[in-house]
Amino acid sequence: SQQGEEDPQALSIQEGENATMNCSYKTSINNLQWYRQNSGRGLVHLILIRSNEREKHSGRLRVTLDTSKKSSSLLITASRAADTASYFCATARTFGGGADGLTFGKGTHLIIQP
Amino acid sequence: GAGVSQSPRYKVAKRGQDVALRCDPISGHVSLFWYQQALGQGPEFLTYFQNEAQLDKSGLPSDRFFAERPEGSVSTLKIQRTQQEDSAVYLCASSFQRANTGELFFGEGSRLTVL
Repeated sequence: SQQGEEDPQALSIQEGENATMNCSYKTSINNLQWYRQNSGRGLVHLILIRSNEREKHSGRLRVTLDTSKKSSSLLITASRAADTASYFCATARTFGGGADGLTFGKGTHLIIQP
Repeated sequence: GAGVSQSPRYKVAKRGQDVALRCDPISGHVSLFWYQQALGQGPEFLTYFQNEAQLDKSGLPSDRFFAERPEGSVSTLKIQRTQQEDSAVYLCASSFQRANTGELFFGEGSRLTVL
């Protein structure tokens, strides 16, 4: 079963605009990560935010985390055609007992129109 | 190699055939994960190894699925008596950290099509 749910499922914007994707999850987490997947390729790690952090930046990426609402957002500023991909949030449950992997959402398919 | 390597990239099997998918993780990575990704969906966890020990196999969908990592490096995911519903991309990921505390490095995946 997939814990994370990304919103929207698909997003199409013009190059240069900002893109915002949201993720909601259900259980307590250790950290939350965002990954990008280009069509037919593997996933690439973008950014990790720990449960005690509220905001994190990496280049054109900005991630926020609200553990009280069990939600996160990924903002991509000044989008480029190369940002076209699917974006997934992944949660790591509080470690203790189970050594399971990350739980991924269904993803947001982002299309940047040139 | 520099990244996680998976083979074969594409596999077509007739229903009932056995298949074996291989994963070469990044050298020195302790953790290795297998995921299954259906078309248009996110990856679903299958199993986790810490070195050679399979610590979690709760995601394996049936007893037809078997994974091993005998020497703590290369891993093989075996699917016996394949069914059409097994058609998916199988992703391998590794991490130098234990369990789910850090980022995962993914391979390109093995796309399995069962006819």
